[in-house]
Amino acid sequence: QQQVKQSPQSLIVQKGGISIINCAYENTAFDYFPWYQQFPGKGPALLIAIRPDVSEKKEGRFTISFNKSAKQFSLHIMDSQPGDSATYFCAASQSAGGTSYGKLTFGQGTILTVHP
Amino acid sequence: ETGVTQTPRHLVMGMTNKKSLKCEQHLGHNAMYWYKQSAKKPLELMFVYNFKEQTENNSVPSRFSPECPNSSHLFLHLHTLQPEDSALYLCASSQAGHRGGYTFGSGTRLTVV
Repeated sequence: QQQVKQSPQSLIVQKGGISIINCAYENTAFDYFPWYQQFPGKGPALLIAIRPDVSEKKEGRFTISFNKSAKQFSLHIMDSQPGDSATYFCAASQSAGGTSYGKLTFGQGTILTVHP
Repeated sequence: ETGVTQTPRHLVMGMTNKKSLKCEQHLGHNAMYWYKQSAKKPLELMFVYNFKEQTENNSVPSRFSPECPNSSHLFLHLHTLQPEDSALYLCASSQAGHRGGYTFGSGTRLTVV
């Protein structure tokens, strides 16, 4: 029930195209859904995040779509660029209160390649 | 310096060596994590420390020994490793009691020969 399933494992997109990565979860207590971007030789970096009280969040060319009833969320990268080529991880966590921490459960990752 | 800093960036060690990985965060976070990232595998959580206390050990072999002397520093002591332990070891931190993401370091690329 703690799993987050991510697809596809790899994705090839032409420059200017739309990249779409999907994630599904089971734990209805999850209430924070971030996406991380990782370039080779670097650690993952927080890209964008959403909470379940909204269905969509957009930051520049990156958009998260969230479907609470289906327990699914996705990352859309508009006008994909070669510089977007990286590994993308979705994640989910429950609220942390007091001194507890919100442990993130990560998806398996998607290797995105954007061809020029 | 800000963020999460990991040293060394690269490490090659023999199976009989003893070495340590270091992680330092300057973000005022209270929780720190060690992750293992192998090629074509998902991120594997190894250990969690919250306010210097170990709260999770995900069945990690005893040849990996973590240490958290304070909320800003985290170590991973390595001894008698196996070639399959070669991977990128990532440290992360987060703020306890706060709904937010992790900040990761750049990792230590470990090669066991």
